[in-house]
Amino acid sequence: QKEVEQNSGPLSVPEGAIASLNCTYSDRGSQSFFWYRQYSGKSPELIMFIYSNGDKEDGRFTAQLNKASQYVSLLIRDSQPSDSATYLCAVNDYGQNFVFGPGTRLSVLP
Amino acid sequence: GAGVSQSPRYKVAKRGQDVALRCDPISGHVSLFWYQQALGQGPEFLTYFQNEAQLDKSGLPSDRFFAERPEGSVSTLKIQRTQQEDSAVYLCASSLGPSGTGLYEQYFGPGTRLTVT
Repeated sequence: QKEVEQNSGPLSVPEGAIASLNCTYSDRGSQSFFWYRQYSGKSPELIMFIYSNGDKEDGRFTAQLNKASQYVSLLIRDSQPSDSATYLCAVNDYGQNFVFGPGTRLSVLP
Repeated sequence: GAGVSQSPRYKVAKRGQDVALRCDPISGHVSLFWYQQALGQGPEFLTYFQNEAQLDKSGLPSDRFFAERPEGSVSTLKIQRTQQEDSAVYLCASSLGPSGTGLYEQYFGPGTRLTVT
């Protein structure tokens, strides 16, 4: 059973701070890793994906991947209240089955 | 361009009724996925289509669930004899490339919230 784990939160950070979201996965064959943001009552929207070990930056977002530790994280710099949402980690093995974690609820306090 | 659309957005069914949920993917997208999302949980994979071929249905929870995509575009997820445990949001997603090509960005529809009473 392939598993993806995330702290459910809520993770509360003050506006302007760095929010750090973590995800671990069980399948060593996993090849691609995705972070989605989901506002309450809305569908998931892709923030970033990462395939290679190391960091990948896109604006205020940085994804970090460590395949040896089976760990992927998302950093959000200069957090804004509009970043308050549930963040879903998803993992894929280049097949068609994407395994999602339960999500971490982030609350950015003004 | 239009995104992924789903209908109906909300469906209330009495236990034992059959329901059909529709997904219109982004035009030209080869891959289509169905997911089930329970409250407070992440989406759970149900099934995958590459064009009209259903290549993976390993996530369908029982034989009451059936999906089709006969012309490689619109897809329908049918649930027969609905049970209360079927209550969830059903999400459809499409992506440009076939599975395994690296073109993995999935675009999700708004979902259909099914409530079985």
